[in-house]
Amino acid sequence: GDSVTQTEGQVTVSESKSLIINCTYSATSIAYPNLFWYVRYPGEGLQLLLKVITAGQKGSSRGFEATYNKETTSFHLQKASVQESDSAVYYCALSDLGTNSAGNKLTFGIGTRVLVRP
Amino acid sequence: DMKVTQMPRYLIKRMGENVLLECGQDMSHETMYWYRQDPGLGLQLIYISYDVDSNSEGDIPKGYRVSRKKREHFSLILDSAKTNQTSVYFCASTPGQRAEQFFGPGTRLTVL
Repeated sequence: GDSVTQTEGQVTVSESKSLIINCTYSATSIAYPNLFWYVRYPGEGLQLLLKVITAGQKGSSRGFEATYNKETTSFHLQKASVQESDSAVYYCALSDLGTNSAGNKLTFGIGTRVLVRP
Repeated sequence: DMKVTQMPRYLIKRMGENVLLECGQDMSHETMYWYRQDPGLGLQLIYISYDVDSNSEGDIPKGYRVSRKKREHFSLILDSAKTNQTSVYFCASTPGQRAEQFFGPGTRLTVL
């Protein structure tokens, strides 16, 4: 089946420093899945941070970037300069687009907790 | 304001009791989902609902059932809860394929 592997556990980074969260995927149900980063802030539900549906393209949002690399099957999340407000749990996910046009199935990584120190 | 709500947010039950988790969305989305997340694992799909009374098993449906009688409301039911169903449960909805999923804040269920 499909799987997503991302940086495990917690990443601690000082404010204004750079951040990278690694994500690699394996998709057996579809050759080029859609790729997503979701973020969960304390007390809230997951919300979409960015998505890329075309291999080779880059997505960006709120200063975060991720490039869909089909050669290395990776979708690493990066930010050049983090802020305290970026402290959250980040999830990498892929979509198989589903067999039903009404919906699709997401396969998630385990989540990476990011703590930004002032 | 687009929103997915979940009730209750926290729940403690004893083994063998019945559990009802409720999810609502105000976006008229056709498709809704129930996931659970356990430590060290990603979110796992329990059930998908494509519309009213049109439900499909996800990856881990055993021990769960669902009910969708109105488009905006999707319930997860545990008949005779087990301790291994202790988890955080997330509900989500989407307007269709290739669209993002909108998630609720989660329900933390503890089964003693």
